[in-house]
Amino acid sequence: NAGVMQNPRHLVRRRGQEARLRCSPMKGHSHVYWYRQLPEEGLKFMVYLQKENIIDESGMPKERFSAEFPKEGPSILRIQQVVRGDSAAYFCASSYVQTSGELFFGEGSRLTVL
Amino acid sequence: TQLLEQSPQFLSIQEGENLTVYCNSSSVFSSLQWYRQEPGEGPVLLVTVVTGGEVKKLKRLTFQFGDARKDSSLHITAAQPGDTGLYLCAGEGYQLIWGAGTKLIIKP
Repeated sequence: NAGVMQNPRHLVRRRGQEARLRCSPMKGHSHVYWYRQLPEEGLKFMVYLQKENIIDESGMPKERFSAEFPKEGPSILRIQQVVRGDSAAYFCASSYVQTSGELFFGEGSRLTVL
Repeated sequence: TQLLEQSPQFLSIQEGENLTVYCNSSSVFSSLQWYRQEPGEGPVLLVTVVTGGEVKKLKRLTFQFGDARKDSSLHITAAQPGDTGLYLCAGEGYQLIWGAGTKLIIKP
């Protein structure tokens, strides 16, 4: 998957806890995108970030979800007070420039909320 | 709202057979991407089609973009077990309108 690194690969949380998912883009890529995939469904866009900036968060729920891409370090998708409906695979992708749709994806982080 | 519908949702065939899967929309797309996703992995880009009527080949896979840029097809010749996976079409920039995918199983 072209060097996009996500961790953890699997995360189990109880309802009400916080989940933090990390994404290190491919070397040289400064654009990061987060998507959510429910079982048997396609991916849904959540947020697009560049270093230190959120460019488009139109797909991200306004409550409990936040994302950042600091100057140093990985991008982080944070879900506070998780609920069972947050259980899904969360994928990060990166690109060198703002993409027209050609993305390199990580292997995903699978969140299970008990 | 732009939607992409993929068909069939599920296809199981024997090794060596040919198959075609479809990605349809009522909307015009400036480009469409095809991805393959294996269980437990992220999607991997196969191809981008941009021009109406365009045909692209990737070994045994042939991708076509409809003349009106509203639909696309993927044809696999002489399918092999390694082709097994979820085939997803997606369009329109980073927000990527995604189809729900065709789950393909090739039996040896």
